[in-house]
Parts: sequence; structure tokens; C-alpha cells
Amino acid sequence: AQSVTQPDIHITVSEGASLELRCNYSYGATPYLFWYVQSPGQGLQLLLKYFSGDTLVQGIKGFEAEFKRSQSSFNLRKPSVHWSDAAEYFCAVGAGKMVKAAGNKLTFGGGTRVLVKP
Amino acid sequence: NAGVTQTPKFQVLKTGQSMTLQCAQDMNHEYMSWYRQDPGMGLRLIHYSVGAGITDQGEVPNGYNVSRSTTEDFPLRLLSAAPSQTSVYFCASSYSPAEGSPLHFGNGTRLTVT
Repeated sequence: AQSVTQPDIHITVSEGASLELRCNYSYGATPYLFWYVQSPGQGLQLLLKYFSGDTLVQGIKGFEAEFKRSQSSFNLRKPSVHWSDAAEYFCAVGAGKMVKAAGNKLTFGGGTRVLVKP
Repeated sequence: NAGVTQTPKFQVLKTGQSMTLQCAQDMNHEYMSWYRQDPGMGLRLIHYSVGAGITDQGEVPNGYNVSRSTTEDFPLRLLSAAPSQTSVYFCASSYSPAEGSPLHFGNGTRLTVT
């Protein structure tokens, strides 16, 4: 079974500084990888996803992530953080099998809460 | 377009009580699912449905029942609430049941069991 680890529970960054959130996954084959963001009191919103091809993926809100197979990582980055980026971020992995009967089941990491200092 | 609607937003139950968490989507999504969110553990899948009339268990199904009689609705039933079920519950849907179709989440139901 696949698993996801987000080593950082909390990260504090200054507004305008760069941000990198770490995600490591465990899975034998090439998985599908996702980053979701959760604003306070809200549900999760998809930031970006990786299925195959170019290992650098662009998402919404100026975020990008890079898939590194050799390190089993899918880290999320943003060059310049805005106060509105304060939220909790979740990395998720799917089994990489587009079989409808199996369902759209994802395994989520524990999340990283990002605080933005003015 | 309401998206995924969950009710209630908050609920307090006593141990042993039963209740139903409601989830409705108006996007004609084929796939629906329930997750619970606990601090430091991310989201864990409780039950899911790949279409009306079809449901299956996820990672943590014990103590919960679901049914999917219509495409729009996917209620989650707690049969006999326990303090271990104190959590935030999220309903999520996607257009396709196939993996990779973006999941749309409701705003959650915060449940406390005393």
C-alpha cells in the first residue's frame, strides 16, 4: 500500500519569501501525485497534480511542484509567498491505476500548516 | 452552483447515539466519498461510491454505514457514536470514479462525541 510523509508539521515564512514544502511517498510503481490546500474552515482545493511526463508541474496560485523519482519526493514550491497563502497543505498519492471500479482513492499525508509573517 | 454541500456544520453527540451526516452534490459527479480528518493524520478514507447503488469500504470503515440511492446524495451514518469518532468529516466527489479526476470537497462537519 502507498503512504505519504510530510516531515514538516508547521512552517513559518515571511511575506515575500520563498516557500518549499516537502513530501515523500512510498510506492513501488510510478504513482499519481497531488497537492491540495485547505484554508481555515474550508474543504480542500486541488493545487496541482502529476501523472507522467514533465517532472516540473505548474499549478494554481503560482505554485509548482517537482517529481523526483530517485528521491521519492514531490516537493511544493512558491517563489514569493503572499499572506493569503497561510493555510494547511496536503500531499496525496494515488495508485496510478485509472480503473473506474477501483475508485478515485487517494492516500493523504499528515499536512503542513503554513503561517505567513507580515 | 453549490458544489458539495455538507450538513450539519457542527454536531455534538453523546456516546451511543446515532446520527446521519448529509452530503449532496449538484455537479452530476459519478464518484463520492467520505474522509475523516484528525490532527497529524491527514485525511483517511471511510467509504466511497463509484456510482448510484454501489458502495465500498475505505481505510477506516468500522462504525460507519453509507448508501447511494441517487447520484446526488451520499449520507454517512454513525450507528453508535464513540469518542474515537470525534473528528472533522469531509465529503468529496469527482466527475469520474477513475483516479486522477480532481476531487471537490465540502466544507466539512465537525463532530464531537462526549
